[in-house]
Amino acid sequence: EVQLLESGGGLVQPGGSLRLSCEATGFTFPDYAMGWVRQAPGKGLEWVAGISGTGAGTYYADSVKGRFTISRDNSKNTLYLQVNSLRAEDTAVYYCAKDTKNTLSLGGRGYFDYWGQGTLVTVSS
Amino acid sequence: DIQMTQSPSSLSASVGDRVTITCRASQSISSYLNWYQQKPGKAPKLLIYAASSLQSGVPSRFSGSESGTDFTLTISSLQPEDFATYYCQQTYSTPQTFGQGTKVEIK
Repeated sequence: EVQLLESGGGLVQPGGSLRLSCEATGFTFPDYAMGWVRQAPGKGLEWVAGISGTGAGTYYADSVKGRFTISRDNSKNTLYLQVNSLRAEDTAVYYCAKDTKNTLSLGGRGYFDYWGQGTLVTVSS
Repeated sequence: DIQMTQSPSSLSASVGDRVTITCRASQSISSYLNWYQQKPGKAPKLLIYAASSLQSGVPSRFSGSESGTDFTLTISSLQPEDFATYYCQQTYSTPQTFGQGTKVEIK
């Protein structure tokens, strides 16, 4: 059974940092690209970042480019999102999701077949 | 970036109604369009991938179609468990983008 378990969220002041983690089980982790999707309170879904199965390819939404870094440790079956220079508008539930493709070149052209339960990041002073 | 415009943003319907939600892409995305259902406090759930392929385990009352850059999610006979918010997503190019969502409420 595929499971994705996020952790690392919390309350942080503007300008602060956090590292979100997503532990994956139930599938061969290096074979699949992964992504982070966030949802601000009462708002819709926003794709944040994606990473290829090997970790060689990383992609970001313009809203987080230069502030967020996606990475993965295939030996630990874990996906990460380092979030820096946080702003109030980054407040959201952050979901990790498993892609059906190995690479995200040309957009990936797959879909998210499994999602974690989400971890809440609140940016406030 | 490719913009995905969903309509309507919300709708009220009764059990048994046929419901149609539309998603329009700002440019050609071939058939790289997926549909998700989200209930309050829960993670999204995949319904349809590649515009018209039904995800395993999803009831057959859900279907997807495409016409150029217009994509449609249809629920043939709305059930009580279908009241939720629905999102489209394009994966033709990065950044991948979602539509703004359509909330289906009980009339």
